[in-house]
Amino acid sequence: AQSVTQLGSHVSVSEGALVLLRCNYSSSVPPYLFWYVQYPNKGLQLLLKYTSAATLVKGINGFEAEFKKSETSFHLTKPSAHMSDAAEYFCAVIQGAQKLVFGQGTRLTINP
Amino acid sequence: GAGVSQTPSNKVTEKGKYVELRCDPISGHTALYWYRQSLGQGPEFLIYFQGTGAADDSGLPNDRFFAVRPEGSVSTLKIQRTERGDSAVYLCASSLRPTSVRNTQYFGPGTRLTVL
Repeated sequence: AQSVTQLGSHVSVSEGALVLLRCNYSSSVPPYLFWYVQYPNKGLQLLLKYTSAATLVKGINGFEAEFKKSETSFHLTKPSAHMSDAAEYFCAVIQGAQKLVFGQGTRLTINP
Repeated sequence: GAGVSQTPSNKVTEKGKYVELRCDPISGHTALYWYRQSLGQGPEFLIYFQGTGAADDSGLPNDRFFAVRPEGSVSTLKIQRTERGDSAVYLCASSLRPTSVRNTQYFGPGTRLTVL
């Protein structure tokens, strides 16, 4: 069965600094991977998804992620953090064609 | 257009009571999903509907949990004899159709259930 592991339950960066949120996957088949963001008291919003078309995926709000098969990773990055990026971020893998399997989440804090 | 809506946004109940949580998907979306998110955890899959039928209910924790989608649109998650461990945020999502991973699941804001 497919699964994902997010390294670091909390990440804190300064405004303007690089954001790096780590996600490693485990899958016996080519995975389809997703990053979602959850703002306080809001629903999950899709940031980006990897569906094998290209290894570097660009998403909304300046985020991007790179699929690295050799490292079984799909880390999320943003060159310059903004205060509005403070939220909970979830990596997920699709199981079958319907079921999203989520990681534990990483809470991103931005320091002024 | 309107997104996925869920009602109520908050529900407080007593142990042993029955609750119903409602999800209104995006118009035209045939697939509907329920997930449960416990404090400090990622969402966990409960059940998935394709049209009116439950295509996969493998995530329902026990027979106290049941969900319906009688007309292929609105869905209701029903929990009988609630227990304190049922306290969580219940999330609903919908997608245009489930057969391709290219179809994004759009999530509602969730219902926060607290069982006292």
